[in-house]
Amino acid sequence: GAGVSQSPSNKVTEKGKDVELRCDPISGHTALYWYRQRLGQGLEFLIYFQGNSAPDKSGLPSDRFSAERTGESVSTLTIQRTQQEDSAVYLCASSSWGGGIYNEQFFGPGTRLTVL
Amino acid sequence: AQKITQTQPGMFVQEKEAVTLDCTYDTSDQSYGLFWYKQPSSGEMIFLIYQGSYDEQNATEGRYSLNFQKARKSANLVISASQLGDSAMYFCAMREGGGGFKTIFGAGTRLFVKA
Repeated sequence: GAGVSQSPSNKVTEKGKDVELRCDPISGHTALYWYRQRLGQGLEFLIYFQGNSAPDKSGLPSDRFSAERTGESVSTLTIQRTQQEDSAVYLCASSSWGGGIYNEQFFGPGTRLTVL
Repeated sequence: AQKITQTQPGMFVQEKEAVTLDCTYDTSDQSYGLFWYKQPSSGEMIFLIYQGSYDEQNATEGRYSLNFQKARKSANLVISASQLGDSAMYFCAMREGGGGFKTIFGAGTRLFVKA
């Protein structure tokens, strides 16, 4: 079956512009995660959605960052008034539910964001 | 607060030898899971192995094994018989069982396998 897909694969924008990143999870996966990975660094947790529960937004770095998810489908991560420090690869992952702590996350290929 | 520490920014290993990548963690939860991922230069994240905090046996998956020392809060990855294709970034991650399934990642270790 299809894996996690993300679009666009690359995005170059000017400082101050808004950007919207999209994630299509694996069909049937109720959990969806967004991470940020700066060049040469590890993954920073941004936000987590699980079904209809309130999302865990504890990783969002500022109020310029927001994310939405409709049901158990597509999610969009929006960054308003982009800054150069927002340049990074944004990774999305999805997982099924019911396996307890062990629910393997399947990652998308990422969106490389460059803010000029 | 949960925390993952990988103290080796880079490691070299000779092909066909074994290598251990270190990971220590900090959590106040009794229930948690530990994961290792591989990230080749292509950027994809590949799940390697999982260890639950209540698992009594160390996890193994093919050439990968996890040396889990709960009292020391360490979860080192052992790769046996290294191959050139093992050259990549390796990330240790942890998920706590209570209050959701937020996962945090360490800074990673870059492994270089020499021919």
